[in-house]
Amino acid sequence: EAQVTQNPRYLITVTGKKLTVTCSQNMNHEYMSWYRQDPGLGLRQIYYSMNVEVTDKGDVPEGYKVSRKEKRNFPLILESPSPNQTSLYFCASSFYSTGGTYEQYFGPGTRLTVT
Amino acid sequence: SQQGEEDPQALSIQEGENATMNCSYKTSINNLQWYRQNSGRGLVHLILIRSNEREKHSGRLRVTLDTSKKSSSLLITASRAADTASYFCATDEKRNTDKLIFGTGTRLQVFP
Repeated sequence: EAQVTQNPRYLITVTGKKLTVTCSQNMNHEYMSWYRQDPGLGLRQIYYSMNVEVTDKGDVPEGYKVSRKEKRNFPLILESPSPNQTSLYFCASSFYSTGGTYEQYFGPGTRLTVT
Repeated sequence: SQQGEEDPQALSIQEGENATMNCSYKTSINNLQWYRQNSGRGLVHLILIRSNEREKHSGRLRVTLDTSKKSSSLLITASRAADTASYFCATDEKRNTDKLIFGTGTRLQVFP
């Protein structure tokens, strides 16, 4: 079954404790992306990757890191989480071309609370 | 940067009625997409319309695109209670197709 998986689905942590949210897709998609969703703000892109070893900042990259060592995985790293990073996080993947975007396949979301 | 803005923010209708949601954006685009999100869950792609298309249909969904007004509408006909969800438009920028920018969404409630 074609899918995007994220782990963990729920996480409560404390300020400053490094964490990683994993994302994996089995559709051989080139493009992967992380979004955060906050009430009234919609989805905002954190980082995206157009292929292995190619990553770029989205609209809200501060406080986050990503890596793309393999095509299927795109982990999101919070080196020193702060309470303003409490949010619902989504990973997504799609095919990629320079001619325009394709439909994104979303993971189920990770609800992160930083106290 | 906010590219897509949906209108209205919330919409309540009875089953069987039609629901129309609008999206406005700021820059020239290649594609515009509509997504649906059930509460707290991942987004599901509904339909993609390219900048050279004016209208597209998929089942009970009808999407229009007016590039001169930089706006799109999503019409759900004969709505059902199961259509209750939030709906988002997403656009890419013609000058930077790598980024997909989502609007703030329209929350649709369909009463049985």
